[in-house]
Amino acid sequence: EPEVTQTPSHQVTQMGQEVILRCVPISNHLYFYWYRQILGQKVEFLVSFYNNEISEKSEIFDDQFSVERPDGSNFTLKIRSTKLEDSAMYFCASSGRGGANNEQFFGPGTRLTVL
Amino acid sequence: KNQVEQSPQSLIILEGKNCTLQCNYTVSPFSNLRWYKQDTGRGPVSLTIMTFSENTKSNGRYTATLDADTKQSSLHITASQLSDSASYICVVSVVGNEKLTFGTGTRLTIIP
Repeated sequence: EPEVTQTPSHQVTQMGQEVILRCVPISNHLYFYWYRQILGQKVEFLVSFYNNEISEKSEIFDDQFSVERPDGSNFTLKIRSTKLEDSAMYFCASSGRGGANNEQFFGPGTRLTVL
Repeated sequence: KNQVEQSPQSLIILEGKNCTLQCNYTVSPFSNLRWYKQDTGRGPVSLTIMTFSENTKSNGRYTATLDADTKQSSLHITASQLSDSASYICVVSVVGNEKLTFGTGTRLTIIP
């Protein structure tokens, strides 16, 4: 069964460093998302992406964040200068269609630890 | 502000027993409500999606209900198994918006 994959599973970085989290969505999906979950808290929406553009973003997704689909298979989240409060699980999701009723399939997550 | 509240926060039941988890939401305009299962350290997995016009949906031993008038939903798990131990998250979306609003989840533990 096709699934969303994410790498690395765990990333440790120093405060102020740039990190790139990678996702491979399900192959025929066109809609991509990033979410984060701070330890012990709820999952929070960061950004949605379609047709090489951000379609929606939350207030969390500030200038330190960017997303890219560099090729036909990968979808990346870059944090330019990490802060301690960026420590969280980051989940990528993909969907075969857009709209509010789409079913989003989540990857296993990348645990980011900022020291 | 769109909010999703779940109860109880945690629940422990014996294997084989049934349980019901609750979700209340204040979201407008409502589009659909989803229940996800999240194992520790893993991504959420969809169990059910219900739109405004649906008031019940089943997926194996999982049955979700929706009352759009009172803005409440429940997830009923029948004949629980050890593998049901996980967090169950209620998620709501609004019309015309792909952003999902997550609840804090109910942590369910099944003991033998």
